[in-house]
Amino acid sequence: QKEVEQDPGPLSVPEGAIVSLNCTYSNSAFQYFMWYRQYSRKGPELLMYTYSSGNKEDGRFTAQVDKSSKYISLFIRDSQPSDSATYLCAPLEASYQKVTFGTGTKLQVIP
Amino acid sequence: GAVVSQHPSWVICKSGTSVKIECRSLDFQATTMFWYRQFPKQSLMLMATSNEGSKATYEQGVEKDKFLINHASLTLSTLTVTSAHPEDSSFYICSARTSGSSGELFFGEGSRLTVL
Repeated sequence: QKEVEQDPGPLSVPEGAIVSLNCTYSNSAFQYFMWYRQYSRKGPELLMYTYSSGNKEDGRFTAQVDKSSKYISLFIRDSQPSDSATYLCAPLEASYQKVTFGTGTKLQVIP
Repeated sequence: GAVVSQHPSWVICKSGTSVKIECRSLDFQATTMFWYRQFPKQSLMLMATSNEGSKATYEQGVEKDKFLINHASLTLSTLTVTSAHPEDSSFYICSARTSGSSGELFFGEGSRLTVL
C-alpha cells in the first residue's frame, strides 16, 4: 500500500462547480498536510497548509483533515478554467523532514 | 509566500557532459533544501535532502556520484548532473523550507533537462 493515495483523474467539471479533491494516507506519523497546485511544466505552488483536524478556509479553497480516518480533502468553490491543473496532497511528519507526495489529481474546468 | 528561484529553467546538453542547476531562496534563509525529479504525468520523486554546510542525504536508488549536491550557503543549493545520459532527461525541481518555520515547503519553477 502506498503511503499516500490520490485518484489520478482526470476530473472534468463545468465552470462554477464545486470541486472535491481527496487523499488518503496510511502513516500515522503524518501531522501536517499541504496541498499544492502544479501547472504543466511548472514547479508546485503551495495552496494550503494545515496541521489540525477540521477545516481551514482561504478564499475559494477549503482544506479538510480527518486524522482519525486518515483522509484529507481540498474543496474548490466556484471553480474557474484557471484552476485547471494537477493538485498534489503532501503530508508531512512532525519531524519536518521528508515530505511525501501523492500522485496528484488532474483537474479540468471546462468553460 | 516565500520565493525560490531555479536556474536554468531549460537546458539541453550533449551526452557525457555535466550540467549544474542552481536553487536559490530569494527572501529567506533555507537550512534545508530538497531536490526532486519528475517524469511526465508522474508525481515528484525525492532525490536528496540538502542541509547547509553538510553532506546531502540521498534517497535509496539515487546515485550520489552522478547527482552531486552542494549546499554551501543558506540561500543556495546546486545540483550537478555529471556525465549526463539521455535517461537523465527529466524535470528537476528544488524546494526549500524556511528556517524556524512550521514546515512549509516552497518550490522553484523547475529545470527541464534534455540530454541528446
